[in-house]
Amino acid sequence: SQTIHQWPATLVQPVGSPLSLECTVEGTSNPNLYWYRQAAGRGLQLLFYSVGIGQISSEVPQNLSASRPQDRQFILSSKKLLLSDSGFYLCAWNPGRSEKLFFGSGTQLSVL
Amino acid sequence: ILNVEQSPQSLHVQEGDSTNFTCSFPSSNFYALHWYRWETAKSPEALFVMTLNGDEKKKGRISATLNTKEGYSYLYIKGSQPEDSATYLCASHYGNQFYFGTGTSLTVIP
Repeated sequence: SQTIHQWPATLVQPVGSPLSLECTVEGTSNPNLYWYRQAAGRGLQLLFYSVGIGQISSEVPQNLSASRPQDRQFILSSKKLLLSDSGFYLCAWNPGRSEKLFFGSGTQLSVL
Repeated sequence: ILNVEQSPQSLHVQEGDSTNFTCSFPSSNFYALHWYRWETAKSPEALFVMTLNGDEKKKGRISATLNTKEGYSYLYIKGSQPEDSATYLCASHYGNQFYFGTGTSLTVIP
């Protein structure tokens, strides 16, 4: 069966520090991968998605970047965090265009 | 970025009451409409995926309908139970992107 792992669960970082959140999927190949963020009081915002290794589509130009170095690995990064980067980050995958999303357990990021 | 709207934002109902929520989405270039349930301390889980105008899906006491021409979907819960308390999210699926509404937070009071 397929599983998705996302870590860390919580993170407290100072403004200006770097960020690396990792997400891996097991039990499938060539998944579509997604990063979402939920800011306080807001809905899930699509940040990045990837349909293959090295293929990254950005929805919102901002302080974050994403990479997909391996088929089932999706990384969200920042060189210098801003206060506005605080939020709950969710990784998700699906096996193809018509399929539902499967979500990771999320990372609560607090930038202080 | 596409605007998906949900109403109401929150809802409190008594156990046994039936309730419904609305999701509205842009109907152009539409591919599918998803409903997810997000319980506290858990990950969102899919309830339904609907693609065709007039689609109706049912799972136990929960059902959903879809109108792609006018761009809306309804989620119905019959005889609400405390375990139905959660945030219900809809997402409109375009190409490879999924755009979520802000959700409806449901609290079922025993």
